[in-house]
Amino acid sequence: EVQLQQSGPELVKPGASMKISCKASGYSFTGYTMNWVKQSHGKNLEWIGLINPYNGGTSYNQKFKGKATLTVDKSSSTAYMELLSLTSEDSAVYYCARDDYDKGFAYWGQGTLVTVSA
Amino acid sequence: QIVLTQSPALMSASPGEKVTMTCSASSSVSYMYWYQQKPRSSPKPWIYLTSNLASGVPARFSGSGSGTSYSLTISSMEAEDAATYYCQQWSSNPYTFGGGTKLEIK
Repeated sequence: EVQLQQSGPELVKPGASMKISCKASGYSFTGYTMNWVKQSHGKNLEWIGLINPYNGGTSYNQKFKGKATLTVDKSSSTAYMELLSLTSEDSAVYYCARDDYDKGFAYWGQGTLVTVSA
Repeated sequence: QIVLTQSPALMSASPGEKVTMTCSASSSVSYMYWYQQKPRSSPKPWIYLTSNLASGVPARFSGSGSGTSYSLTISSMEAEDAATYYCQQWSSNPYTFGGGTKLEIK
């Protein structure tokens, strides 16, 4: 069974940086691209970017360049997203989502709530 | 970027009623993807490549469309279908989502 287990909720101060993890299991980690999605106010979904765990190649939504950095650790089948210089606009739920070739985002993590507040 | 506009934003339907929601793209896309989300849950894949049902999706759902106009239809509304549905295009970076259609049961 494919599972994506994300790290827990975070409360961070404005200006800080933080990293979310997404541990994958149940499939070959390097065989599928991992995407990251932001959901603000419980509604709007935004694609942040993707990473190819096989070679570390990335593609970002221009809006999130400089805000998010995607990496992977193949040894632990874990994908990471670092969020930089956080502001209140970054308060949201963040999901990792594995695509399945032409089937779209077939598997989603449970989401990580990030709250930016002093 | 390609903007996806979903309509209506909010709708309600009675059990057994036929439901249709639409997704309009600002530029032509090859396919449309749909996701279902219920409160306090992650989005679930619902329809892929415009008209293919994801695993476990009831046959009363269907998807259609091409170019800039796509739709999701429920042939006969059931209480469990109450949720928010999002369309997504995967043709052009950035891979955008629509604003969602919230479907309620009457």
